[in-house]
Amino acid sequence: DIQMTQSPSTLSASVGDRVTITCRASQSVSSWLAWYQQKPGKAPKLLMYKASSLEGGVPSRFSGSGSGTEFTLTISSLQPDDFATYYCQEYNSYPWTFGQGTKVEIK
Amino acid sequence: QVQLVQSGAEVKKPGASVKVSCKASGYTFSNFDINWVRQATGQGLEWMGWMNPNSGNTGYVQKFQGRVTMTRNTSISTAYMELSSLRSDDTAVYYCALRVGTYYYFAYWGQGTLVTVSS
Repeated sequence: DIQMTQSPSTLSASVGDRVTITCRASQSVSSWLAWYQQKPGKAPKLLMYKASSLEGGVPSRFSGSGSGTEFTLTISSLQPDDFATYYCQEYNSYPWTFGQGTKVEIK
Repeated sequence: QVQLVQSGAEVKKPGASVKVSCKASGYTFSNFDINWVRQATGQGLEWMGWMNPNSGNTGYVQKFQGRVTMTRNTSISTAYMELSSLRSDDTAVYYCALRVGTYYYFAYWGQGTLVTVSS
């Protein structure tokens, strides 16, 4: 199975900050990577797919990049609604696996 | 709009089985695979497997082979995930999730069902 490792595990930031989360795969997943946002007690919400494609309705302050084994999710200007946990997921190799999550908390 | 509505929380004893339902609406049920993902408290997400509602074909992660069964009732647009021989480490929130395209990312999710395994 492919191992997905996110860093950092926790990130403290302020409203308006630029935030970057990294996801590394144990082997190449090409561009077959998705990002999700999860708030406490809620289901994950799809943000990005194919590494850099924004899901409909997701604010443009979210962007994704990368290919192969290293990927980033960037929030250009952190908003109050963005404090949450973020997960990456590869869908290149069965079984599909998720990163362990990055919690973005208020500084 | 697409909605996946899951059954309510369950408390089970070790060794028992649990069956979680996921009722779909807002699209043609047979068109898209239903997947199941679980999340232990405070932990990450773990994909368990998929089911094609049209054919009934399934695919399970090896870890759950022999213990998980995914089925459906097309007449009521409902998918089911049954997990048997429950252990304490099966305590988790179980989500159904929809794959709407060719690729295995999940655009729609149920609200989750908490399954607690405790003696």
